[in-house]
Amino acid sequence: SQTIHQWPATLVQPVGSPLSLECTVEGTSNPNLYWYRQAAGRGLQLLFYSVGIGQISSEVPQNLSASRPQDRQFILSSKKLLLSDSGFYLCAWSVYRGREQFFGPGTRLTVL
Amino acid sequence: AQKVTQAQTEISVVEKEDVTLDCVYETRDTTYYLFWYKQPPSGELVFLIRRNSFDEQNEISGRYSWNFQKSTSSFNFTITASQVVDSAVYFCALSFSGSARQLTFGSGTQLTVLP
Repeated sequence: SQTIHQWPATLVQPVGSPLSLECTVEGTSNPNLYWYRQAAGRGLQLLFYSVGIGQISSEVPQNLSASRPQDRQFILSSKKLLLSDSGFYLCAWSVYRGREQFFGPGTRLTVL
Repeated sequence: AQKVTQAQTEISVVEKEDVTLDCVYETRDTTYYLFWYKQPPSGELVFLIRRNSFDEQNEISGRYSWNFQKSTSSFNFTITASQVVDSAVYFCALSFSGSARQLTFGSGTQLTVLP
C-alpha cells in the first residue's frame, strides 16, 4: 500500500529565516506530486505540482520554491520566510492526471 | 473556468440526525471528475469518493451517500444517522480529465455533530 510522509509536523520560524519542508511517498512509482497551503479559513491553495523528477510547475508567484530531487521526494523551500507564509502545508500525490489525490498529514508552520 | 461552490459554511446537527452537504460546480468540460474529502481536526484530508461525469448513479457507502445530478450541476453528500466522529470540514472538488495539475476545491463546510 502507498503512504505519504511529511516532516516536520509543526514548525515555528522567525521572519527572514529559511524553510525546508519534505514530503516522501512510498509504495508507488512516478507519482504526480503537489504542494498546497491552507491558511486560516480553510481554503486550499495549490502552490506547486510536479509530474516527474526535476519538473516543477508553479501556480502562485511568491517567495517559495519546490524541488523534486528523487522520484518520490518533494521539497518545499524558502530562502526568507514572511509572516504571510504561516499556514498549514499539505503534500499530496496522485497516480493518474486529474484523478483523486492522496494527502499527507501536513505541516503547521508559524512564522513569528 | 472551473468553480466549486459550497454555500454552507457551517452546519450543526444533533447526533443521529441526517445531514446533507451541498456542492454545486461549474465547468465547460464534458468529461470531468468530482470528489469529496473529509478533513478532521487532525488536519489530514481524507479522500472519500470520486465520481466520473459519465456516471450519474448515486452511491451509498455505509452511512454515506452521494447524489450526482448533471442537470443541476450538483454533487451532494448525505450522512445518515450522524455521529460525533463525523465532525469535520468537508470539501467538494472538481477536476477535468487529462489535467496533470489540480483539483479545484470548494471552500469547505464545517460540520459539527453535537452529542
